[in-house]
Amino acid sequence: QTVVTQEPSFSVSPGGTVTLTCGLTSGSVSSIHNPSWYQQTPGQAPRTLIYSTNSRSSGVPDRFSGSILGNKAALTITGAQADDESAYYCVLYMGSGMVFGGGTKLTVL
Amino acid sequence: EVHLVESGGGLVQPGGSLRLSCAASGFTFINSWMTWVRQAPGKGLQWVANIKHDGTEKYYVDSVKGRFTISRDNAKNSLYLQMNNLRAEDTAVYYCARLLFNTGWYWGSWGQGTLVTVSS
Repeated sequence: QTVVTQEPSFSVSPGGTVTLTCGLTSGSVSSIHNPSWYQQTPGQAPRTLIYSTNSRSSGVPDRFSGSILGNKAALTITGAQADDESAYYCVLYMGSGMVFGGGTKLTVL
Repeated sequence: EVHLVESGGGLVQPGGSLRLSCAASGFTFINSWMTWVRQAPGKGLQWVANIKHDGTEKYYVDSVKGRFTISRDNAKNSLYLQMNNLRAEDTAVYYCARLLFNTGWYWGSWGQGTLVTVSS
């Protein structure tokens, strides 16, 4: 069974740039998987950031961007802010449906 | 503005039942695929079930098949999740979410969640 993989944790300095990735244990991620990204701060509901690889959801600042980098989907945050400290989940469309990655906990310090 | 408000969570014993509701507003509910996603304490997100806009197609994660039933009442702009034979591993916050389609499916809006605790 193919699993969606994400870095368990990552840290970035305030004002810095960070790229989180979303891969597969078998095979490469492409636009066919329709990557989407969701942000979740502790105790809160998820918030949709990116859909269809690189489209920003309404109200999402342009310092969040999505792309395909090599064989993975990627979420890049430029000019990181303190309130970006959250968990970030990617979702890929697989043959069996939409599958969440395990999430990346981003620390801003 | 889209609003999704879940209710019906609570404490239930193993083997018990619970019915979750989600009240939707701010969009054309009757045209929307809807979904339930859950999150166990300290864990990641897990898709649970989808339902087509007219209720004619339903899909479930394997771990809840035969125990959970997703349904909707378009006249009431409401989504439901009937959960039977609950297990400890069903303990989670359950989120109602709206599915949207662009070049593919994604979750466009989320409710605030309702906590289900299965324990004796």
